[in-house]
Amino acid sequence: AQKITQTQPGMFVQEKEAVTLDCTYDTSDPSYGLFWYKQPSSGEMIFLIYQGSYDQQNATEGRYSLNFQKARKSANLVISASQLGDSAMYFCAMREGTNDYKLSFGAGTTVTVRA
Amino acid sequence: GAGVSQSPSNKVTEKGKDVELRCDPISGHTALYWYRQSLGQGLEFLIYFQGNSAPDKSGLPSDRFSAERTGGSVSTLTIQRTQQEDSAVYLCASSTNFRSEQFFGPGTRLTVL
Repeated sequence: AQKITQTQPGMFVQEKEAVTLDCTYDTSDPSYGLFWYKQPSSGEMIFLIYQGSYDQQNATEGRYSLNFQKARKSANLVISASQLGDSAMYFCAMREGTNDYKLSFGAGTTVTVRA
Repeated sequence: GAGVSQSPSNKVTEKGKDVELRCDPISGHTALYWYRQSLGQGLEFLIYFQGNSAPDKSGLPSDRFSAERTGGSVSTLTIQRTQQEDSAVYLCASSTNFRSEQFFGPGTRLTVL
């Protein structure tokens, strides 16, 4: 079974608008971490934001925020005030357990920001 | 630079040849990971090194794949007798420890003809 599901293969967003990227996850472990990475056309994976399963508040990093709904097992990424440089592939990933280190990635969502 | 570096950036090889891919992690990072990104399989974990501990090789797809990490720093991923299905981008990442965020290199794009 897929551990991370990203249902939006591609999205278009107007510059300066906000965009929400969906991510749902599947785990039976109460301890896990959720990550979002950005992969521009250059290929490098850039870490954006992290949410721990026991974190009480939703994570935020500048224009990135994570809408963490634990009961629904969802960890959507919100990018506010989109910029042309935000055009990239975005991956949701999960690390399960207190001692694990492997990241399981979703299929990714391609975001294209229009001027 | 201060980031993870990988070489070569691109590698084209013929089926059956061996290839070596190199990763230089961020200085001071004790954890090092290799992932593979291909069209059909997405991003897959391959192998993990932590300090001097035995590596976790559970993600390696076959015994043609091997990796080593010398001196707790540079890592080399070796693919023997390459097959066309090995064509992918091989990404290396490092982190300060296994629980912290992983920083990725630019990847090596491998094409097996």
